[in-house]
Amino acid sequence: AQTVTQSQPEMSVQEAETVTLSCTYDTSENNYYLFWYKQPPSRQMILVIRQEAYKQQNATENRFSVNFQKAAKSFSLKISDSQLGDTAMYFCAFMKPNTGNQFYFGTGTSLTVIP
Amino acid sequence: EAQVTQNPRYLITVTGKKLTVTCSQNMNHEYMSWYRQDPGLGLRQIYYSMNVEVTDKGDVPEGYKVSRKEKRNFPLILESPSPNQTSLYFCASSLSPGGLSGNTIYFGEGSWLTVV
Repeated sequence: AQTVTQSQPEMSVQEAETVTLSCTYDTSENNYYLFWYKQPPSRQMILVIRQEAYKQQNATENRFSVNFQKAAKSFSLKISDSQLGDTAMYFCAFMKPNTGNQFYFGTGTSLTVIP
Repeated sequence: EAQVTQNPRYLITVTGKKLTVTCSQNMNHEYMSWYRQDPGLGLRQIYYSMNVEVTDKGDVPEGYKVSRKEKRNFPLILESPSPNQTSLYFCASSLSPGGLSGNTIYFGEGSWLTVV
């Protein structure tokens, strides 16, 4: 079975600063997909960024970028110019292809942006 | 507006009383899933469906049933709820597996279920 580990239960960052959330995973698959989801207090799950394992280039979405290290099985999320609205729980997730949406989530990192 | 709608949003029920949490999406998505979220455990997949009449178990299917008779609906059934099924439940849907090919995964707003 796949496992996803987020070793930072809680983090905080000053507004406008940069913060990095870590995620490691364990799999014997060569092709797979990785995601970061944001869950604000409203409890809705919002896709932040996705990465296909066969792509060497790190994904970016505006202020959000990842550092994908396939050999190390590491997938960290960097948030630049942190904003108060970034305060949320962040989940790292892994998906094997051709499994019909079978996901494995980490336990989450609670991020607080301090004004 | 693209939506995944879950009902009920909040429910307190008693042990053994069958209940159904409905999930409906208006995007003609093929892929739908159910998750439960528990403190310290993150989200765990209960069941998923790749299309009408095609369902499969996720990580924690025990005590749950699902059905996919129509593309838009994917109800979660607790035949005999127990207190360890007290949790926050999410339904999700996407056009492609994992929201790939540029298609995102849409989550419902969550259903808080308490079994006493």
